[in-house]
Amino acid sequence: SQTIHQWPATLVQPVGSPLSLECTVEGTSNPNLYWYRQAAGRGLQLLFYSVGIGQISSEVPQNLSASRPQDRQFILSSKKLLLSDSGFYLCAWKGQGAREKLFFGSGTQLSVL
Amino acid sequence: DAKTTQPPSMDCAEGRAANLPCNHSTISGNEYVYWYRQIHSQGPQYIIHGLKNNETNEMASLIITEDRKSSTLILPHATLRDTAVYYCIVGYNNAGNMLTFGGGTRLMVKP
Repeated sequence: SQTIHQWPATLVQPVGSPLSLECTVEGTSNPNLYWYRQAAGRGLQLLFYSVGIGQISSEVPQNLSASRPQDRQFILSSKKLLLSDSGFYLCAWKGQGAREKLFFGSGTQLSVL
Repeated sequence: DAKTTQPPSMDCAEGRAANLPCNHSTISGNEYVYWYRQIHSQGPQYIIHGLKNNETNEMASLIITEDRKSSTLILPHATLRDTAVYYCIVGYNNAGNMLTFGGGTRLMVKP
């Protein structure tokens, strides 16, 4: 069966520090991968998606970047965090089939202080 | 992707059916309707999806109007654990497509 792992669960970082959140998927190959962010009490905002290794599409210009060094690995990064980067970050994957649905990780609560 | 409109919040009595509406008047012919829910501080959970026909699974039923411009998610016997934010999303289900989440409906199931 397929599983998605996202870590860490919580993170407190000072303004200006770097960020690296990692997401891995097991039990499937060539998934579509996504990073979402959710501000407190708000809906989910799509940040990045990837349809293959090295292929990254950005939905919102911002202080963040994403990379996909391996088929089932998706990384969210920042060189210098801003206060506005605080939020709940969710990784998700979806298969390539016609009736596939999104499966989400457990999320990372990032607090930038 | 087509946009959706949902009421921001709803209440439901425990044991009663919860009917959550969603308008998607600009939906295209081959866009699916998806429902997810998110319990506080967790990742969203898939509930059900459909294209034209009504769908039912162990969690819920999805009723899509004939013109496909609106749909209703039905939780037949709501429990306290169904308290969550419910997202209605429409989109193409092909490779590379993403599903855009709006504000959702915050369902509060009360004893």
